Amino acid sequence: DAKTTQPNSMESNEEEPVHLPCNHSTISGTDYIHWYRQLPSQGPEYVIHGLTSNVNNRMASLAIAEDRKSSTLILHRATLRDAAVYYCIRTGFQKLVFGTGTRLLVSP
Amino acid sequence: DAGVIQSPRHEVTEMGQEVTLRCKPISGHDYLFWYRQTMMRGLELLIYFNNNVPIDDSGMPEDRFSAKMPNASFSTLKIQPSEPRDSAVYFCASSQGDEQYFGPGTRLTVT
Repeated sequence: DAKTTQPNSMESNEEEPVHLPCNHSTISGTDYIHWYRQLPSQGPEYVIHGLTSNVNNRMASLAIAEDRKSSTLILHRATLRDAAVYYCIRTGFQKLVFGTGTRLLVSP
Repeated sequence: DAGVIQSPRHEVTEMGQEVTLRCKPISGHDYLFWYRQTMMRGLELLIYFNNNVPIDDSGMPEDRFSAKMPNASFSTLKIQPSEPRDSAVYFCASSQGDEQYFGPGTRLTVT
């Protein structure tokens, strides 16, 4: 049971921002929110994670709702290389339970 | 760093044969994970180790599957005997904190 809900797919145009939503309404107070992505024919790749505060790194930003029941992964300028399946995962410690993720399609 | 190394990258075997998948984690990482990915079931955690000790093997499908980590730089996942339903991509990942680093995977086909 992945315990997160994500849209099956989303589309974006290159150079535009992308907001990938995730619902985790049953999250516990100690669970972190992790995002991974999987490019075609590759293993999953870590993107970002957070607990309560919004987080930024070189790949993306993570906006976490104040009640922590949802979060949004933000890619500021989508590129063709960002086309992948994005997984939102809530986890207490190390054990990642992957759901079906959101397939992001990026058009030139 | 070369990243997580898995071998072989592809394996084709006949039903009933023993299959051994190998993984070399990133040096210094104290957690190692084995995952399986299929179209039907997605990505599943099979087992993970901390400091070479198995911590959680609840995802191992059945007794035909076994995993070992004899030292910090090597782990194996063995299937004996293999069955067609074991066909999948098997990923190894390692971690020393919050981020898991995945290998390129081994694509296993059991005919």
